[in-house]
Amino acid sequence: DAKTTQPTSMDCAEGRAANLPCNHSTISGNEYVYWYRQIHSQGPQYIIHGLKNNETNEMASLIITEDRKSSTLILPHATLRDTAVYYCIVFYRDDKIIFGKGTRLHILP
Amino acid sequence: GAVVSQHPSWVICKSGTSVKIECRSLDFQATTMFWYRQFPKQSLMLMATSNEGSKATYEQGVEKDKFLINHASLTLSTLTVTSAHPEDSSFYICRPSAGLSTYEQYFGPGTRLTVT
Repeated sequence: DAKTTQPTSMDCAEGRAANLPCNHSTISGNEYVYWYRQIHSQGPQYIIHGLKNNETNEMASLIITEDRKSSTLILPHATLRDTAVYYCIVFYRDDKIIFGKGTRLHILP
Repeated sequence: GAVVSQHPSWVICKSGTSVKIECRSLDFQATTMFWYRQFPKQSLMLMATSNEGSKATYEQGVEKDKFLINHASLTLSTLTVTSAHPEDSSFYICRPSAGLSTYEQYFGPGTRLTVT
């Protein structure tokens, strides 16, 4: 079973920040939190990952709670091209990645 | 960032034939290769895991004699769908891993298989 739970779908207005939550209450100490997104008929696209500290890159920010039991992916200025299914995953090194159903994000014009 | 390629990107074959899908890690050595498949409107499902030079380990419900995996080198793995049937039509995705915890983990772009 997937180690994470995410809302099934979310809407966000274009130009606004999209905040996607993820619960991973059983995360182990050495497991990283990874976020991917999948646009129709494409492989999962890497977005960002982190262990304990908040992370930011050119695509997004990742906020991990102090107890590491949940995280939030932030897309600062959502565009229509950000419409996709977003997957939150926790794993370590060569561990198998078991995907949950992800969050289907709709960006509204 | 790391680049992963798959070939072909899509393929149509007749029922009963075999199809080979290649996955290459272009700028790192993949000690482990994961193969997934994805049916329409569903999430990715792990099929098998292989380590370079070793036999693959298949997930429950995946027929090892039907889905042949070869991981003969650190940059190339192949998945062969033997005696394909229409129910094998799916989106097949690879994930090569270098086994590094801090590394950005990448997936292949996927191969769309349609069996007629």
